[in-house]
Amino acid sequence: DAGVTQSPTHLIKTRGQQVTLRCSPKSGHDTVSWYQQALGQGPQFIFQYYEEEERQRGNFPDRFSGHQFPNYSSELNVNALLLGDSALYLCASSLAGWRGASYEQYFGPGTRLTVT
Amino acid sequence: KQEVTQIPAALSVPEGENLVLNCSFTDSAIYNLQWFRQDPGKGLTSLLLIQSSQREQTSGRLNASLDKSSGRSTLYIAASQPGDSATYLCAVRGSARQLTFGSGTQLTVLP
Repeated sequence: DAGVTQSPTHLIKTRGQQVTLRCSPKSGHDTVSWYQQALGQGPQFIFQYYEEEERQRGNFPDRFSGHQFPNYSSELNVNALLLGDSALYLCASSLAGWRGASYEQYFGPGTRLTVT
Repeated sequence: KQEVTQIPAALSVPEGENLVLNCSFTDSAIYNLQWFRQDPGKGLTSLLLIQSSQREQTSGRLNASLDKSSGRSTLYIAASQPGDSATYLCAVRGSARQLTFGSGTQLTVLP
């Protein structure tokens, strides 16, 4: 049973560029959440997708956007990259995240983004 | 706004010692609390999930307790091993449905 997968593993971009990160949820899961983890910090919630809609959003600017596909996989897009966007981006999946708040979240290995 | 604090920020112990990691949160209206392990540069591995109606959960050498009314949780690791060396993160899921994390406790178990 495949867990949560993310691609790419590492990415180096230049300030002002745009980036797309991808996530496939654990088999049977329908809800995907994205988190940003700066070095030495705990992960910060970016947004959550369920039924192809953004259901909840953390304190992140509109430069961060996302999408969920019919097969439940998801993309995170970041426009106009800043040096401060350098971080580990984590994807988490769960069941019915919007309604099933008691369900356990499973995390992927993350994508390390470096902005130079 | 939910805030999660983990103490200590770093801990170094000799192999075989029993240890306790602490987590506190400001809003007791939570659905559940999860403890995670994170190895350097890696993703998060879920260790234990405690629902708001539960007092504790156990998995092998790990035991996590939850006192929702006081906003506290502890992770107890018995007979620590060098392989337990990692950062341990506590996260709560509240009415906002998202996970709010602490900054973690970096654990080093010395052989």
